Amino acid sequence: KNQVEQSPQSLIILEGKNCTLQCNYTVSPFSNLRWYKQDTGRGPVSLTIMTFSENTKSNGRYTATLDADTKQSSLHITASQLSDSASYICVVSPTSGGSYIPTFGRGTSLIVHP
Amino acid sequence: GAGVSQSPSNKVTEKGKDVELRCDPISGHTALYWYRQSLGQGLEFLIYFQGNSAPDKSGLPSDRFSAERTGGSVSTLTIQRTQQEDSAVYLCASTLRGTSGSHEQFFGPGTRLTVL
Repeated sequence: KNQVEQSPQSLIILEGKNCTLQCNYTVSPFSNLRWYKQDTGRGPVSLTIMTFSENTKSNGRYTATLDADTKQSSLHITASQLSDSASYICVVSPTSGGSYIPTFGRGTSLIVHP
Repeated sequence: GAGVSQSPSNKVTEKGKDVELRCDPISGHTALYWYRQSLGQGLEFLIYFQGNSAPDKSGLPSDRFSAERTGGSVSTLTIQRTQQEDSAVYLCASTLRGTSGSHEQFFGPGTRLTVL
């Protein structure tokens, strides 16, 4: 069964600090991995996407890494801001074959305190 | 509008009543997905549309759940005889085509359903 596990479940940091969120997956064969940010009361918004051949992808202060051999990904947030407080969701898509259904992790809830 | 819209934003209903949730995808997006998000849980896939047909409805939890899509655009998710365990946020997403995982899914704000 395809699974995506994220850690930690929740995280509290001070504004300006860095943090790293983890994602382990068992989806195979693997097409791509996305990190989404979901603000409270809103739908998820894509931050980064990586295929199996990519090791890192940046989007401003967000940097995602991928190790397809160990099936692990991380999302690093640099110089956190209050607006970074949200749930961060790791989503893995299998190789397409007519249609695809991605597998979502449960998310890491990040709270940034001033 | 430019994004995916859903209505209503909140719905409170009594156990046993039927509810209809609506999703307006981004214009031109042929694929549409319904998900359910319960508190503390990941997004749970319900059903996927390619155009007006549903090649994958494997996520629908019971025969009380049904969905349709008309004109390749608007979709309606119907829950009959609602139960308390149906309480969740129902999210809709659309993408340009559903046959490639590289296409980003754009999500609506969700409908929060509360069954009393």
